[in-house]
Amino acid sequence: DAGVIQSPRHEVTEMGQEVTLRCKPISGHNSLFWYRQTMMRGLELLIYFNNNVPIDDSGMPEDRFSAKMPNASFSTLKIQPSEPRDSAVYFCASSPQQGNTEAFFGQGTRLTVV
Amino acid sequence: GQSLEQPSEVTAVEGAIVQINCTYQTSGFYGLSWYQQHDGGAPTFLSYNALDGLEETGRFSSFLSRSDSYGYLLLQELQMKDSASYFCAVSGRDDKIIFGKGTRLHILP
Repeated sequence: DAGVIQSPRHEVTEMGQEVTLRCKPISGHNSLFWYRQTMMRGLELLIYFNNNVPIDDSGMPEDRFSAKMPNASFSTLKIQPSEPRDSAVYFCASSPQQGNTEAFFGQGTRLTVV
Repeated sequence: GQSLEQPSEVTAVEGAIVQINCTYQTSGFYGLSWYQQHDGGAPTFLSYNALDGLEETGRFSSFLSRSDSYGYLLLQELQMKDSASYFCAVSGRDDKIIFGKGTRLHILP
């Protein structure tokens, strides 16, 4: 398996624009996580899906953020409108089972909002 | 909620042993895991402890005490390539995986 695949790897956008980050989890994994990493706040869990269903989105910072998982092989994280403080590295991770013991991370998307 | 505490930085000498501690608060605890992240890279899984005691994987070992809500990662025979950030993470009844802020390990030659 190619691992968790995220796109794009880098994104530079202007404030106010819509940004969509994409993730393909490892085939057969039931759980999918979106994390945001910054120097100040570390690795923050934004939202968690199990079997394509959002289980906990309490980490989503604002209504500007939304996430979907239309099927087992694809998820998106959308920011609309984007702001400079959204600049961070966004990671998608998947895990094979509930009672998650190990998360497999994608290479991340480095987002810069200017 | 869940929270984890770990030192922000640790410095050690090549060839030595270093221990990175982690304390946690969580409800419905399942286990404690450790991840390594090199600059510019993604976190990668190192180890997982669900039961008390020491788990050894090569030069790396991880320990858990559930009664103390405490664990540590032990790195032996340090190599320069071990310079990285190390994160502890808790898995709970809610199936979320929550990470600490990370410990940056500096290794001196």
